[in-house]
Amino acid sequence: EAGVTQSPTHLIKTRGQQATLRCSPISGHTSVYWYQQALGLGLQFLLWYDEGEERNRGNFPPRFSGRQFPNYSSELNVNALELEDSALYLCASTISGRAYYNEQFFGPGTRLTVL
Amino acid sequence: AQSVAQPEDQVNVAEGNPLTVKCTYSVSGNPYLFWYVQYPNRGLQFLLKYITGDNLVKGSYGFEAEFNKSQTSFHLKKPSALVSDSALYFCAVRVPSGSARQLTFGSGTQLTVLP
Repeated sequence: EAGVTQSPTHLIKTRGQQATLRCSPISGHTSVYWYQQALGLGLQFLLWYDEGEERNRGNFPPRFSGRQFPNYSSELNVNALELEDSALYLCASTISGRAYYNEQFFGPGTRLTVL
Repeated sequence: AQSVAQPEDQVNVAEGNPLTVKCTYSVSGNPYLFWYVQYPNRGLQFLLKYITGDNLVKGSYGFEAEFNKSQTSFHLKKPSALVSDSALYFCAVRVPSGSARQLTFGSGTQLTVLP
């Protein structure tokens, strides 16, 4: 069974540009979470999508946005990139987003570098 | 608000010795607790979780964790460490109430197993 996949593996942008990161969940999983792992800041929750809708978002500015498609894949968009957006962005999926006890399965991440 | 603390940034242990990676939590209500491991330039891999029931939880790769409600702890343990266990370990918590389903992570503990 294929795991969570993310693309691209690496992304280099300059300040002010926009970045688009993509995630495909495990087959059968309807829920997708996005986390930011920045150096020295640990893992910070960004966004949660379940069955096509945004269910919750973390403490990030509106220039971080995304969507979930009918096939449950997801896209994270970061507008007006700033240097501090440089981080590893991790996507995770679960079999049912509404259940508290489900573990999340993570993809390998996209390393975003903002110059 | 829920939070997780991993009091040790770094743990060193000799191969073959038992290892412990510490985690304490602070939540309102009963927690669901998780341990993940991250190898360099990789996403997080699920190790084990505590939902309810037996306080000793067994997981992947010979790891186990003990839930202690009175001490609000969920320490990760392994009887005999391997060099290949060297990685970054994260404890995470989720509280079964409200609309949030994301995990709240600790800051991580770098485990180094010395040959």
